[in-house]
Amino acid sequence: GAVVSQHPSRVICKSGTSVKIECRSLDFQATTMFWYRQFPKQSLMLMATSNEGSKATYEQGVEKDKFLINHASLTLSTLTVTSAHPEDSSFYICSALPVINSPLHFGNGTRLTVT
Amino acid sequence: DAKTTQPPSMDCAEGRAANLPCNHSTISGNEYVYWYRQIHSQGPQYIIHGLKNNETNEMASLIITEDRKSSTLILPHATLRDTAVYYCIAPDNFGNEKLTFGTGTRLTIIP
Repeated sequence: GAVVSQHPSRVICKSGTSVKIECRSLDFQATTMFWYRQFPKQSLMLMATSNEGSKATYEQGVEKDKFLINHASLTLSTLTVTSAHPEDSSFYICSALPVINSPLHFGNGTRLTVT
Repeated sequence: DAKTTQPPSMDCAEGRAANLPCNHSTISGNEYVYWYRQIHSQGPQYIIHGLKNNETNEMASLIITEDRKSSTLILPHATLRDTAVYYCIAPDNFGNEKLTFGTGTRLTIIP
């Protein structure tokens, strides 16, 4: 079945530094990937849509200059949290669509802790 | 997305069938109903989806009412590993490219 892999699964960084999270589709190509964020005891919130070869589309209230998304190939999208602050600590999850009209498949998430 | 309503929490005894309801009274004719679940500290896992007919796969069964305003996810023999938050979603784009997650139902399987 379709597999989406995220790396790293956990990361701790100091305030002010940047962190890159990778999302890979292992056995399929994905022109579109999605990035979600989940705070403790809350549901997933869509941050942005990552489009291969073009700019990402960000949801309202998500700072595009803070959350840099690059989708340089059909199997890889990256999310970079720039100048991280403690309030950016969260669970970041990516997803990809193997085929149009098929279910989305999700990675296992990245737990970011900013100290 | 069509608005969905789910009970915030449910308990089910291990080995029994878990029946999780979802109301989606504003669903339109071409909107599928998708079910995902999220086990603690993991990404969501796809379970099943359907449009009009009842569906069954190796994980669960989906019963959709004839008027499509509600559905029930059935886990036939719940195990402790089925403890998770279950999300019912009716995306408004036929391609299911953009999912909006509600608060879901926290299902606890009791030994």
